[in-house]
Amino acid sequence: GDSVTQMEGPVTLSEEAFLTINCTYTATGYPSLFWYVQYPGEGLQLLLKATKADDKGSNKGFEATYRKETTSFHLEKGSVQVSDSAVYFCALMGSRSQGNLIFGKGTKLSVKP
Amino acid sequence: DAGVTQSPTHLIKTRGQQVTLRCSPKSGHDTVSWYQQALGQGPQFIFQYYEEEERQRGNFPDRFSGHQFPNYSSELNVNALLLGDSALYLCASSYRSGASYEQYFGPGTRLTVT
Repeated sequence: GDSVTQMEGPVTLSEEAFLTINCTYTATGYPSLFWYVQYPGEGLQLLLKATKADDKGSNKGFEATYRKETTSFHLEKGSVQVSDSAVYFCALMGSRSQGNLIFGKGTKLSVKP
Repeated sequence: DAGVTQSPTHLIKTRGQQVTLRCSPKSGHDTVSWYQQALGQGPQFIFQYYEEEERQRGNFPDRFSGHQFPNYSSELNVNALLLGDSALYLCASSYRSGASYEQYFGPGTRLTVT
């Protein structure tokens, strides 16, 4: 079945460091790909998405490119802030799905001042 | 505009009991999905409701059931609770379903089974 694998955390960075969180997927057809963020005590929020190969999703300085050849959707940010500290989830929605999301296990990011 | 709301926030139950969790979708949304998030794991899809019917279901036993009301709000019921049912239960709403329609998540209900 469809699945998502993302890098284990936690990840600890200093403010203004470069962030990469790796995400790879297994799916039939052409899934849509998402990154969600979960701040402490809150529900998940959509950060960005890409619905077809080579699409780049971007939001709040975060970017991810849908790479079909490597089945990847790595999250990047050039300069992280303390306020970016949260848990990040990579997710996919299968091409035949009616809307259920399949999530990775999440990566906790802590940014130190 | 209120987002997705869930009640209660926290709940403690004993093995074998039954529990009902509630969700009110964001205004204008007609589709509700439920997810279970165990500690340290990503959310897992339980089921989705649209037009008061279960549209699709994940790999969860029949002990998990749900309902959607005419006002689009939804309930998740779990019977014969097991220790392994302890988790954060997330409700997500959207207008219709599919990748083009963003799912908005509520803050969740933390269920502890003792």
